[in-house]
Amino acid sequence: QVQLQESGPGLVKPSQTLSLTCTVSGGSISSGGYYWNWIRQHPGKGLEWIGYISYSGNASYNPSLKSRVTTSVDPSKNQFSLKLNSVTAADTAVYYCARGIVTGGTSYIDWFDPWGQGTLVAVSS
Amino acid sequence: DIQMTQSPSSLSASVGDRVTITCRASQTISRYLNWYQQKPGKAPNLLIYATSSLQSGVPSRFSGSGSGTDFTLTISSLQPEDFATYYCQQTYSTLLTFGGGTKVEIK
Repeated sequence: QVQLQESGPGLVKPSQTLSLTCTVSGGSISSGGYYWNWIRQHPGKGLEWIGYISYSGNASYNPSLKSRVTTSVDPSKNQFSLKLNSVTAADTAVYYCARGIVTGGTSYIDWFDPWGQGTLVAVSS
Repeated sequence: DIQMTQSPSSLSASVGDRVTITCRASQTISRYLNWYQQKPGKAPNLLIYATSSLQSGVPSRFSGSGSGTDFTLTISSLQPEDFATYYCQQTYSTLLTFGGGTKVEIK
């Protein structure tokens, strides 16, 4: 079965760039019918979708973060990545990667499954 | 943005109780509504997709219903492993949004 695993620094300084990678195992990131997502959860709070990227590089982002977010995909490594620049303490959160399922021949995500275990990123000097 | 409002935000219930959680969308989302369960320190786990389809491996005591703007998640007989936080999610809009969560606690 497909599994996802986030990796990256757990501490980032204010104004710097948060960089995370999600490694997909048990399946190919290049398989059709999926978009590869980032979601975050502030401590003790709800879930916020950050954005997705397809294996071909098509991306879509939450407008609230769009100006600071970049995603990329590396099919040769079965990985996709997130960069969030100009971070502040408000970006401290658990960051999850998740596979978005696309059905019915549309280009829209229908649900997320599975999710990575999540990684806590703290923004602090 | 489509706002998703869950109620209640928390509830206390006993093992064996029937539990219902409500999710309301700020505009119609057809049946593009999913439910996730999250336990402390863990990632969310898909329970129900497309309003009422049970994800493989999820116990049949979980069920979902609704359409348009009003949706419910029902646990027919609460089990000890069901104490968790539940989130609804709409995928009608290209801006995907979640409800604020409902924490189910032991009475």
